[in-house]
Amino acid sequence: KNQVEQSPQSLIILEGKNCTLQCNYTVSPFSNLRWYKQDTGRGPVSLTIMTFSENTKSNGRYTATLDADTKQSSLHITASQLSDSASYICVVYDGTPLVFGKGTRLSVIA
Amino acid sequence: SAVISQKPSRDICQRGTSLTIQCQVDSQVTMMFWYRQQPGQSLTLIATANQGSEATYESGFVIDKFPISRPNLTFSTLTVSNLSPEDSSIYLCSVEGLSGSRYGYTFGSGTRLTVV
Repeated sequence: KNQVEQSPQSLIILEGKNCTLQCNYTVSPFSNLRWYKQDTGRGPVSLTIMTFSENTKSNGRYTATLDADTKQSSLHITASQLSDSASYICVVYDGTPLVFGKGTRLSVIA
Repeated sequence: SAVISQKPSRDICQRGTSLTIQCQVDSQVTMMFWYRQQPGQSLTLIATANQGSEATYESGFVIDKFPISRPNLTFSTLTVSNLSPEDSSIYLCSVEGLSGSRYGYTFGSGTRLTVV
C-alpha cells in the first residue's frame, strides 16, 4: 500500500529559529511531491512542487528537498514567524487519488 | 491564479439532517475532487466529480450517503446525508490545474461540519 509518513508529528519552536520537517514515502511509480501548508480550519495551500528529477525547490523562506533514490523529502523553514504556525502536509502524486501524509503540526511561539 | 469558493465555511447540524456544500471555480475544469479530513487525520478522497457523468466514489464512500452534483464545468455540490456525529469533519473540494502547472491541485477553504 502506498504510504506517506511524516515526522515529527508536532513541533514547537521559538520565533526566528529554523526547522526541518521530514517526509518518507513508498509511493511508486512517483510523479511529483508537494508540500502544503494548512492553517487551522482552512484548506491546504501549496508551497512547493517537485518532480522526480528535481532535488530542491524554494518558495521564500520555505525550501523543499527531494531524494528520489531514498524516497525522502524535507521542508526547511528559515527564520520562522508566528504566522508559520500551521500543519504542513506532504503529498505524493502517482495519479488520482493523491497520497497524503498526516502532516506535522508546527507551533511557533514568541 | 484562479480561485475556488467553497461554502458554507462551517455549520452545526442536527443528527439525521443533511448538509449540502457548494464549490464554485472561476474557470472551467474537467475534474473536481471532494475530500474529507477527520480530526487529526490526513485528507481522504471521497469521490471524483466529472461534468456530465456520475461521480466516481472511493472505497468506503457511497452515493446514498454522499450524493454529488456536477451540473457544469465550474460548479459542484457535495451533500452529506443522514448526519451522525461521526460525520463531523472538514470537507474540502479540490481541482486540478489551477496553479499554472499540469501537476497543480488547488483546494477550497474547507467546510467545517459539526454534528450534534
